[in-house]
Amino acid sequence: DVKVTQSSRYLVKRTGEKVFLECVQDMDHENMFWYRQDPGLGLRLIYFSYDVKMKEKGDIPEGYSVSREKKERFSLILESASTNQTSMYLCASSHRGRGGVWASYEQYFGPGTRLTVT
Amino acid sequence: GENVEQHPSTLSVQEGDSAVIKCTYSDSASNYFPWYKQELGKRPQLIIDIRSNVGEKKDQRIAVTLNKTAKHFSLHITETQPEDSAVYFCAASRGAGSYQLTFGKGTKLSVIP
Repeated sequence: DVKVTQSSRYLVKRTGEKVFLECVQDMDHENMFWYRQDPGLGLRLIYFSYDVKMKEKGDIPEGYSVSREKKERFSLILESASTNQTSMYLCASSHRGRGGVWASYEQYFGPGTRLTVT
Repeated sequence: GENVEQHPSTLSVQEGDSAVIKCTYSDSASNYFPWYKQELGKRPQLIIDIRSNVGEKKDQRIAVTLNKTAKHFSLHITETQPEDSAVYFCAASRGAGSYQLTFGKGTKLSVIP
């Protein structure tokens, strides 16, 4: 059974603080993702990683950075937290397979971290 | 880039009735279309997906249809039950074989007992 865990369910930080959100998956998945979920806006991709040390910007990367030093762990970093980064953050992972035009696979989500920046 | 529109944003149905949620996508190269269900306070979970070489797929009370020409796909839930109440998200791959998905904004389905 795929298991994706996130370091915190709830987090409260102050404006200007550096914030680390961690995600760990135990299924040896190559791909990992960070999303932000806001009411009425769905899930928006912040960053994507397809291998250790590899990353791609998603739709809303501004104000965020990521780190992937080990295959099972993907970290989201808020360099200087701001109130407009108050949100639910979801991590996900997926299998890479052999690539090609049919290479899209199910994404498995973590339980989410609700971050409040005051 | 890919754009996915989802309608309606909220849907209420009587228990036992059917529910239909519709999505349109913009990138004709997209070829993978999953649907995720997110119960209150829980993580999104895949309930069904379809690839562009198939027009319809069923799994018990859930079915998905795909019209590539019109670039739209729909989720059909028959004989709805209270436990179907959740937020449903459609998604489309960002081109053929992309690992990245673009999600719709979600539909909150309420099944009234």
